[in-house]
Parts: sequence; C-alpha cells; structure tokens
Amino acid sequence: DVKVTQSSRYLVKRTGEKVFLECVQDMDHENMFWYRQDPGLGLRLIYFSYDVKMKEKGDIPEGYSVSREKKERFSLILESASTNQTSMYLCASSLFRGNYEQYFGPGTRLTVT
Amino acid sequence: QKEVEQNSGPLSVPEGAIASLNCTYSDRGSQSFFWYRQYSGKSPELIMFIYSNGDKEDGRFTAQLNKASQYVSLLIRDSQPSDSATYLCAVMGETNWGKLQFGAGTQVVVTP
Repeated sequence: DVKVTQSSRYLVKRTGEKVFLECVQDMDHENMFWYRQDPGLGLRLIYFSYDVKMKEKGDIPEGYSVSREKKERFSLILESASTNQTSMYLCASSLFRGNYEQYFGPGTRLTVT
Repeated sequence: QKEVEQNSGPLSVPEGAIASLNCTYSDRGSQSFFWYRQYSGKSPELIMFIYSNGDKEDGRFTAQLNKASQYVSLLIRDSQPSDSATYLCAVMGETNWGKLQFGAGTQVVVTP
C-alpha cells in the first residue's frame, strides 16, 4: 500500500512565525503535491514537484515556498505565517506516468493565531 | 481557469437506494477522471478512476464517463450509512502530467 505521512496532525503557530510542514512517501513516486482545503473552496493546489529539486507553482502559491531535496520528501514552508493561512494542508503523491492517481497523507490542521 | 463543477448537496439517500453524483468539467482535452471519498476530518481516498467513455464498475460503485458531454458520474448502489461522506471529482487535463483539478465535492448522507 502507498503510504504518505505528514509530520504533524495538528499545529498551532503564531503570526509571523516560519512554519515547516513535511511530507514523506514510500512508493518511489515522482510527483508530489501540496494542497490546502477550506470549507466551500475545495482542494486548492499550492505547489507541486515532479522530480527532485523541481517545483512548479499551483493555483495559490503566494505566501508559500517548497523544497524537495530527496525524492521521497516534499516540504511546504510558510515564510511568515498569517491568520489567513489557517487551513487543512494535504500532501499527495503520484507516479509521473501511468495512472496518475494521487494518494493523500492524513493532513495537517494548521491554526495561526 | 479550468473548472470542475459538482452539486454541493447534501444529497440525502435512503439506505439501500442508489446515490447518483454528477460532475461536469470545462477542459475538453481532459483525459483522466477520478472519484475520491472524504470522511469528515479525514483526507481523500481514491475510490476509482476512469479513462474511457462508458461505464466502469467496482463493487457497489459505478463510474460513468461521457467525454462528448463533458460529464462524469458516480453511482453508489445499495447505499450504506458508511457511505455518508463528501465525494470529490477530480480531472486531469490533456497536458497536465499528473496535476488534478478537483471539484468542491458533493456531500452524501445515507439515512437508515
């Protein structure tokens, strides 16, 4: 079974703090994704990566950055957390070719106060 | 902006009945279509995917794809209370190489 893990299930941070969210997958998937999910807005893509050190902006990259130094690990960074970044953050991974189905981690509920 | 539209619901379905969920998409070049189930407070889990026009069955679930009309649907037969969840439709465009566009989801409530 594909396993995607995220570093924290719940996280509370203060405005202005630098926040790191980490995602690890164990299925040798090339693609990795970061989404945020808010009520009524669905899943919105923040960034994705199709290879080590490669990244592309998604639909809402402002205020976020990412890092992918190893194939299995994809980190989301909030440089200076703001209250409007309070959300559920979901990581996913998929193969670069083939079926493309994405497998999700359990999510991190981030609250910025 | 490529769009994926779903009726937000809630869709109330009696136990044992068929739940019918619809999804329309705007990118005519879309090639791959996915249905995810998401329980409250949990992450999405893949139910099934479909690439070709027609029906695809997996247990109590049937996905139906009509590319000419740009819609994909999910039928849940013999609905159970455990099927109560939000169902997300996701679409991959022609050249998106794995990027999925998600609909906002349809909430399904199965009543005993």
